[in-house]
Amino acid sequence: GAVVSQHPSRVICKSGTSVKIECRSLDFQATTMFWYRQFPKQSLMLMATSNEGSKATYEQGVEKDKFLINHASLTLSTLTVTSAHPEDSSFYICSARGRTSSAYNEQFFGPGTRLTVL
Amino acid sequence: AQSVAQPEDQVNVAEGNPLTVKCTYSVSGNPYLFWYVQYPNRGLQFLLKYITGDNLVKGSYGFEAEFNKSQTSFHLKKPSALVSDSALYFCAVRGNGNNRLAFGKGNQVVVIP
Repeated sequence: GAVVSQHPSRVICKSGTSVKIECRSLDFQATTMFWYRQFPKQSLMLMATSNEGSKATYEQGVEKDKFLINHASLTLSTLTVTSAHPEDSSFYICSARGRTSSAYNEQFFGPGTRLTVL
Repeated sequence: AQSVAQPEDQVNVAEGNPLTVKCTYSVSGNPYLFWYVQYPNRGLQFLLKYITGDNLVKGSYGFEAEFNKSQTSFHLKKPSALVSDSALYFCAVRGNGNNRLAFGKGNQVVVIP
């Protein structure tokens, strides 16, 4: 199956700093990427959807200036948490969907990034 | 609008017994249905999907699910549960023409040795 990687897997940062999380599709071209946030023992909350080469579409209540998403190529999307605060501590998961028939109907998920803001 | 209901918070089952995790959905048009499993501090792993064709879908690790259009259900099943099946299970649906998945709240499965 298709593989999605995320980097870093864990990050600890001080309050006020910015953190960048990378999401890569390793063996397929991801025309659409999704960023989710997950709180302990809860479901995934969709933050934004991005199509390659266009601006991300943010879900209601998600601050686009705080969570910057870039989808510059068909294999890479980045999420930057700007001026992070402790309440931004969470598990962030990216997901990708491709353009080929086998990949179109399915989203492939990255392993997640655990962000802890001190 | 599309939505998924996973009515139980936790499913407890003895090792070797059948495991069922329930899922019902609501969507406009034909549904694309998915089951994912998540282990602690890990991303979601794909188990199986229903797009079209046979209502009984077989997936990874011995899991299967049956699409029931009249009951709008897509219950996940495994004939004989293993302790290693203990994890968080998510059902998801995407309507034809919709760009995003709707997830259920998840079910914690606990397989008791």
